[in-house]
Amino acid sequence: DVKVTQSSRYLVKRTGEKVFLECVQDMDHENMFWYRQDPGLGLRLIYFSYDVKMKEKGDIPEGYSVSREKKERFSLILESASTNQTSMYLCASSLWGRLYSSGANVLTFGAGSRLTVL
Amino acid sequence: AQTVTQSQPEMSVQEAETVTLSCTYDTSENNYYLFWYKQPPSRQMILVIRQEAYKQQNATENRFSVNFQKAAKSFSLKISDSQLGDTAMYFCAFMKSLGRLTFGEGTQLTVNP
Repeated sequence: DVKVTQSSRYLVKRTGEKVFLECVQDMDHENMFWYRQDPGLGLRLIYFSYDVKMKEKGDIPEGYSVSREKKERFSLILESASTNQTSMYLCASSLWGRLYSSGANVLTFGAGSRLTVL
Repeated sequence: AQTVTQSQPEMSVQEAETVTLSCTYDTSENNYYLFWYKQPPSRQMILVIRQEAYKQQNATENRFSVNFQKAAKSFSLKISDSQLGDTAMYFCAFMKSLGRLTFGEGTQLTVNP
């Protein structure tokens, strides 16, 4: 069974702390994504990566950075956490492919990491 | 930029009945994918159904079907014979390239016994 595993289900951090959210997938997927989910706003893309050491900004990258040193692992970093970063963070992965490629572009999600910044 | 709008924040339906969730989107692209994802309470997001924009035939997956109106930029989800396990947040999503999904705000569906 394919899996995307997020290291922490719940985290509580203090303002100004550096926070690492880890995501690992075992499906040999090229693409990996970080979204944040907020009530009434749906999911918004923070960053994504389509290859090792490659990254692209999403729609709300401010205050975040990412790291992808290995194909299976994609980390989200909050350099200095702030209260407005309290949210649910979802990691996802997918096969790379042209838009209508069979099996490509279907995202598999992790269970989510709920971060509270006090 | 693409936008996806789900105008129904909450909906409810009786078990065994049919419910339709609405979604509209805005894009100037001609080639794209549309998706419905489901997020059950405290569980992870899973794919319900997807539709390629070039296909005129509406996608179906068992009790789930879509009504895709490309000209109207509308993509509604119909759930037939609703079950208690269908209770979840449902997200409509749009993809044009490189796996980047743009999501709507979500519709919380509750199936009542």
